[in-house]
Amino acid sequence: AQSVTQPDIHITVSEGASLELRCNYSYGATPYLFWYVQSPGQGLQLLLKYFSGDTLVQGIKGFEAEFKRSQSSFNLRKPSVHWSDAAEYFCAVGARSGGYNKLIFGAGTRLAVHP
Amino acid sequence: SAVISQKPSRDICQRGTSLTIQCQVDSQVTMMFWYRQQPGQSLTLIATANQGSEATYESGFVIDKFPISRPNLTFSTLTVSNMSPEDSSIYLCSVLSGTEAFFGQGTRLTVV
Repeated sequence: AQSVTQPDIHITVSEGASLELRCNYSYGATPYLFWYVQSPGQGLQLLLKYFSGDTLVQGIKGFEAEFKRSQSSFNLRKPSVHWSDAAEYFCAVGARSGGYNKLIFGAGTRLAVHP
Repeated sequence: SAVISQKPSRDICQRGTSLTIQCQVDSQVTMMFWYRQQPGQSLTLIATANQGSEATYESGFVIDKFPISRPNLTFSTLTVSNMSPEDSSIYLCSVLSGTEAFFGQGTRLTVV
C-alpha cells in the first residue's frame, strides 16, 4: 500500500537559514510526488511536483525538491527561509496508472521561523 | 487550473444533526475528492466522486455516514450525518485538473 512518512512533526529555523523537510514514500512503482503548503486559515497550495525527468524540481516561492529513488525520498529544500514561510507542509504521493486517482498525504511538518 | 468554492466556510452544529457541504468548480472535471482534516492532523481521503456513478469510499468511511452527490461535472455535495463531536474537522473538496490537484478553502465544522 502507498504511504508517506514525514519524520519531522515540527521544525524551527531562524529567518535566513536554510531548510530541508524530509519526506519518504512507499510505492511499488515510480510515483507522482507533491509538496503542498497550508498557511493558517488557508487552503492547500501546490509548491512543486515530480512526475518524471530531472530529479531536481523547482517550485514556487524559492522551494526545490529532489527525488531520490534509491532512498524513496522527496525532500523539500529552501536556501534561505523567510518569516512568511511559517506554515504546515505536506508531502503527498499519487498512485500512478496513466495518471493518478488519489493523493496520499503525509502527516505534515509544521515550520516555525524565528526572526 | 481550477477554482473551487466551498460552502459553508464554517459551521457549528448540534450533535445528532446533519450538515451538507457544497463544492462548486469553475470548470468541468471528471474526478472530485472529499478529504477530512482532523485538528492538528493530515488530510485523509473520505471518498472519490465521479459523475454518474456511486462514490468510492476509503476504508473507515461509509455511505450512510458520509453520503455524497455528484449531479454534474462541476458540483458535488458531502453530507456529514448524525454528527458527533468526533466529526469536528475541516472538510475539503478537491479536483484533478490535468495532473494537478486543486483544493477548496475547506469547511471548518464544530460539533457541540
